[in-house]
Amino acid sequence: EAGVTQFPSHSVIEKGQTVTLRCDPISGHDNLYWYRRVMGKEIKFLLHFVKESKQDESGMPNNRFLAERTGGTYSTLKVQPAELEDSGVYFCASSPYRTGSTEAFFGQGTRLTVV
Amino acid sequence: AQSVAQPEDQVNVAEGNPLTVKCTYSVSGNPYLFWYVQYPNRGLQFLLKYITGDNLVKGSYGFEAEFNKSQTSFHLKKPSALVSDSALYFCAVRDKVAYSGAGSYQLTFGKGTKLSVIP
Repeated sequence: EAGVTQFPSHSVIEKGQTVTLRCDPISGHDNLYWYRRVMGKEIKFLLHFVKESKQDESGMPNNRFLAERTGGTYSTLKVQPAELEDSGVYFCASSPYRTGSTEAFFGQGTRLTVV
Repeated sequence: AQSVAQPEDQVNVAEGNPLTVKCTYSVSGNPYLFWYVQYPNRGLQFLLKYITGDNLVKGSYGFEAEFNKSQTSFHLKKPSALVSDSALYFCAVRDKVAYSGAGSYQLTFGKGTKLSVIP
């Protein structure tokens, strides 16, 4: 079974540019989460999809960040325009939507560097 | 609000020696606790979890963790460290979510502890 995959693995962009990160969850997982780790800090929750619906976006830093999950399959996270403080590793995770499901499965992350 | 503290940024241990990576948490209700590991250039991998029941939880790669409610701790342990255990370890607690929904959850992570096992 394929795991959670994220594209690209690395991205270096200039301040003011736009970047789109993609996450393909494990097939059949309705829950999809985005997290971010800024260098040396905690991994912080950004938002949660259940299928195509945004269930909780309380962790999104500001309106420069836009997440979508059209059709309830893969998700994209767009940063526009990117700022220096957006640099970090962006993780995507997925889990089944059923009672008793507890742990989430994470992708390898996208390392974003804004210069 | 939930929080997790990993008091050590780095832990060094000799190969073959026991290792402990510390974690304490704060949560208003009953915690669900997790350990994840990140090997170099890899994603986060689930190691083990405590949900309920036996306070000693066994996980992948010979790791175990002990839930201590009175000390609000969930330290990760391994009896004999391997060089291949060198990685970044994250403790996490399941956050309460304001909405209902089976299988939904949001994790609160610690800052991570870098474990170096010295040959």
